This record gives sequence, structure tokens and C-alpha cells, in this order.
Amino acid sequence: GEDVEQSLFLSVREGDSSVINCTYTDSSSTYLYWYKQEPGAGLQLLTYIFSNMDMKQDQRLTVLLNKKDKHLSLRIADTQTGDSAIYFCAEIGRGNKLTFGTGTQLKVEL
Amino acid sequence: EAQVTQNPRYLITVTGKKLTVTCSQNMNHEYMSWYRQDPGLGLRQIYYSMNVEVTDKGDVPEGYKVSRKEKRNFPLILESPSPNQTSLYFCASSPKVSVPGYEQYFGPGTRLTVT
Repeated sequence: GEDVEQSLFLSVREGDSSVINCTYTDSSSTYLYWYKQEPGAGLQLLTYIFSNMDMKQDQRLTVLLNKKDKHLSLRIADTQTGDSAIYFCAEIGRGNKLTFGTGTQLKVEL
Repeated sequence: EAQVTQNPRYLITVTGKKLTVTCSQNMNHEYMSWYRQDPGLGLRQIYYSMNVEVTDKGDVPEGYKVSRKEKRNFPLILESPSPNQTSLYFCASSPKVSVPGYEQYFGPGTRLTVT
């Protein structure tokens, strides 16, 4: 099956690092994505990683991919209140089908 | 401005009353898709369309219909809505589904309540 799982909630203090985790089951996944959904809005692409990479860094965002364990993580350094949102991981697997995870609600506290 | 628009943004209706949620994109994208978002379930794909006059079922197509008569529009039709279709619906589009690293552009969402 094509299940993508995430923990539902994460709470961090402003200035700390946030780590959002995701596990997937489709070993044929070629690309893995992180989308951000702010309150009352649609999803926006944050970053993506190709399956032959282990890590990708983009300013405050670091994506780590462990293909052996089918584990993807998103680290946000120096988390700000504007980072409060729901974060979805997604994978492209067989048939170019995009499958989204359950979403992690990140709450940033002062 | 490049965007995906949906209408209406909010809708409360009664069981059995046919409704249509419109979706339009101005980016000349080939691929369009409908998702529903429910707490704890993430986004689940309802239907998608690879191009004009080409539509396919996603993971949860029961109770929904779509059409793609023009490239820019992809309406979602609920012929006989039921309370279990109460959800937040998103339309999305992208240039081509098979382009590596492609980004799906999402509409703002339509919150539907069926009583």
C-alpha cells in the first residue's frame, strides 16, 4: 500500500528547532515533498528532495531522507511564530501518483 | 496573477441537493486534481485530470463527478450530497504530473457542510 504517516501535533518554543517526521511505504518513490498549509489557506510547496539524495538544505529548512528506513524529516531552524501551520509530506510513487501524509500541526509558542 | 480559484469558499447545504464547486486556473496547466481534507486523514485525492476530456478516479471518488471540457476549468459535482461528504475541498493544478520536482498549485479551499 501507499501509506504516508506523520505525527499529528508538534509544539515548540520560538527560537528552538522543529523536527517534523514522516514515514512512507512506497520504495519506488522518486520525489518526496514538504508542503505548508497556513490557517484558512491551501497548500504551498516548501521544498522537495530527490530519492537519491540524503540531505537538502534551503535557508532555515533541512530535509533528511533515510531511504533504508523510508523516513523523511523536515527541520526548521530558529522556529518563528509565522512557521505555525500544518506541514504535509508527500511522495510520488508508482504511476506518478502524489500521496500526502496525514499532516503535522506545528504550534510555535512564545 | 497566477492562481487557482474555487467557488464557493463556504457552502452549507442539505442532503440530496445537487451542488457544483467550480475550479479554475489561469496557468495553462494540463494536470488538475480534487482533494478532500479531513482531520487525521490528510489529503485524499477524489479525481484527477491529465488533460482536456481525460479524467480518472483517485482514492475516494464515490459520490463525486468531475468534467474537463476546457483546460482551465475542472468542476466537482456532488449529485446527491450526504453528511459524510462534509469536508474541506481543495482543487490543485500543475504543468505536467510527470515533471520531476513539479509543484502542485492549490486553490484556497471550499468548506462544505452537508446537513
